[in-house]
Amino acid sequence: KNQVEQSPQSLIILEGKNCTLQCNYTVSPFSNLRWYKQDTGRGPVSLTIMTFSENTKSNGRYTATLDADTKQSSLHITASQLSDSASYICVVSAGRNKLVFGAGTILRVKS
Amino acid sequence: DGGITQSPKYLFRKEGQNVTLSCEQNLNHDAMYWYRQDPGQGLRLIYYSQIVNDFQKGDIAEGYSVSREKKESFPLTVTSAQKNPTAFYLCASSIVADFSYEQYFGPGTRLTVT
Repeated sequence: KNQVEQSPQSLIILEGKNCTLQCNYTVSPFSNLRWYKQDTGRGPVSLTIMTFSENTKSNGRYTATLDADTKQSSLHITASQLSDSASYICVVSAGRNKLVFGAGTILRVKS
Repeated sequence: DGGITQSPKYLFRKEGQNVTLSCEQNLNHDAMYWYRQDPGQGLRLIYYSQIVNDFQKGDIAEGYSVSREKKESFPLTVTSAQKNPTAFYLCASSIVADFSYEQYFGPGTRLTVT
C-alpha cells in the first residue's frame, strides 16, 4: 500500500532556532518527492521537488534531503521565523498516475 | 496561489442542498484537479480533468460531480449524496495530466454544511 508518513505531527520552536521535519514513504513506483508549505486557510505552495537521483535541494532557509535507499526525506528549516508557522506536507509521486500525500507536520514558531 | 482562483473562500449550506465551488486558472494548464482536505489527513483526490470535456474519478468521487467546458474553468458540485461534505476543498492545475509534474494550488474553499 502506498503511504507517506510524517513526523512529528506538530512542533513548537522558538524564533531563530532550527528544526527538521521527517517524511518516510512506501510508494512505488517512485517519480519524485515534494515538500509543500501550507499556511492556515490557504493552498499549499511548493518548496522543493526532488527526483530519485537528487540527495539534497535548497530553497532559501529550507533544505530538503532524500535517501531513496531508506525511503526517507527530511526538511530542515534554518533560523526559523514567525512566518514559518504553517503545515508542511510531504508528497510523493507514484509515477504518472498518482500522488500520495502525507498528513503534514504543523509547525509553530514562537517569539 | 499562482494563477488559480477559487471562490468563495467560505461557503455555508444546509444539508440536502447541492453547492458548486468555482475554480479558474489563467496558467494555460491542460490539467485540473479537485482535492479534499480534512484535519489530520492527507489530501484526497476527488476528480481530475486532462483536457476540456474530459474528466476522471479520483479516490473519493462519490457524491461529487464536475464539468470542464472551458480550459480555464473546472467547477465542483457537492451533491446532497455526499455524506460528510464539510471540508476544505482545494483546486490545482498542472501543465499536463501527469502526476509526476508539479501541481499549483488555489487558495481553497472551506465548505460547512449544517
